[in-house]
Formats: sequence, C-alpha cells, structure tokens
Amino acid sequence: DVKVTQSSRYLVKRTGEKVFLECVQDMDHENMFWYRQDPGLGLRLIYFSYDVKMKEKGDIPEGYSVSREKKERFSLILESASTNQTSMYLCASSVHWPQHFGDGTRLSIL
Amino acid sequence: AQSVTQPDIHITVSEGASLELRCNYSYGATPYLFWYVQSPGQGLQLLLKYFSGDTLVQGIKGFEAEFKRSQSSFNLRKPSVHWSDAAEYFCAVGGGGSGTASKLTFGTGTRLQVTL
Repeated sequence: DVKVTQSSRYLVKRTGEKVFLECVQDMDHENMFWYRQDPGLGLRLIYFSYDVKMKEKGDIPEGYSVSREKKERFSLILESASTNQTSMYLCASSVHWPQHFGDGTRLSIL
Repeated sequence: AQSVTQPDIHITVSEGASLELRCNYSYGATPYLFWYVQSPGQGLQLLLKYFSGDTLVQGIKGFEAEFKRSQSSFNLRKPSVHWSDAAEYFCAVGGGGSGTASKLTFGTGTRLQVTL
C-alpha cells in the first residue's frame, strides 16, 4: 500500500511565524500535491510538483511556497503565517492516477 | 476550466436504506472521475475511479458509481447504508496524461449522516 506521511497531525503557530509542513511518500511517485481543505469549499490545490526541484502553482498559491529537494519529500512553507491560513492541509502523491492522500495536518494560526 | 458540483451539502439516511450522492462535472475532454471518502480527522480514501469502458464502476465498501456523459454526472450509490458509512464524500475530476495534466478538481463535498 502507498504510504503518505505528514509530519504533524496538529500544529499551532503564531502570526508572522515561518511554518513548515512536511510530507513524505514511500512509493517513488513523481507527482506530489498540497491542498488545503476548508468547510464548504472542499479541497483546493495550493502547489504541486511533478519532479524533483519542479513546482507549479495551483489555484491558491498566494502566501505559500514549496520545496522538493528529494523525490520522496514535498514541503509546504508559509512564509509569514496569518490567521486566514488556519486550515486542514492535505498532501497527496501519485504516479498518474489516482492520488493517494496523507492523514492531514490541522494547522491553527493564533 | 474544469469544475465539480456536489449539490447536496448534507444528507441523512437511515441505516439499511439506499443512498445516492450526486456529482456533476465540467471538463473539456474525456474526464477521469473519482469518489473519495473522508472519515472525521482522517485523510481521503479512494472509493472508486472511472477512466473509460464500462460506465458502471464498482468500488470498495459496496459502493458503485455510474458515468453518464450526456448528463455530465457521476453519481455514487450504495444499496444499503451502514452506520460506519457516515463520513464526508468528495467527487473529483481530472484529465488524462502525466505531469501538469494530473491535477484534480474537487467538489465541495457531501456530508452523510446515518441514523440507526
């Protein structure tokens, strides 16, 4: 089975902090994705990567950046956290289809 | 641009009753369609997928979905719901190909409540 591991289930940070969310997959997948999930809005794509050091903006990239130095690891970075970034963050990976998801990180920005 | 509409935000059914969750999509080419389920506090689990061929697809946990191109729909069904099916269900659409084409667009989800 594909295993997508997000480093934290719950995280509390303060406004203005630089926040790192980590995601690791164990199946040598080329594609990795970061989504945020908000009630009533479903999942929205923040960034994705289809190869090491490659990244593309999704639908809501503002306020975020990503890093993919190794194939198995995809990091989401909140450069200066704000309260409107309080959300559930989900990482996914795939070869083509389907996407396999981690359990999510519930991030609170105070 | 691709989009997915799940018109029902919240559905309540009795245990043992049948279930149908609606999904309509907009996509410019042949779509790849997916249903995912999310239990509270968990990530998304794939229930089933449609790429091509038989328009009635079977998934895990007794779920099935039917692709109707003329209606741009991909509704999820289950003949008899169990209390453990209470969760949030997401429909998603994507396209063929790899790399930048492997993006998914999700609907806003339908929360299923099951009464005993």
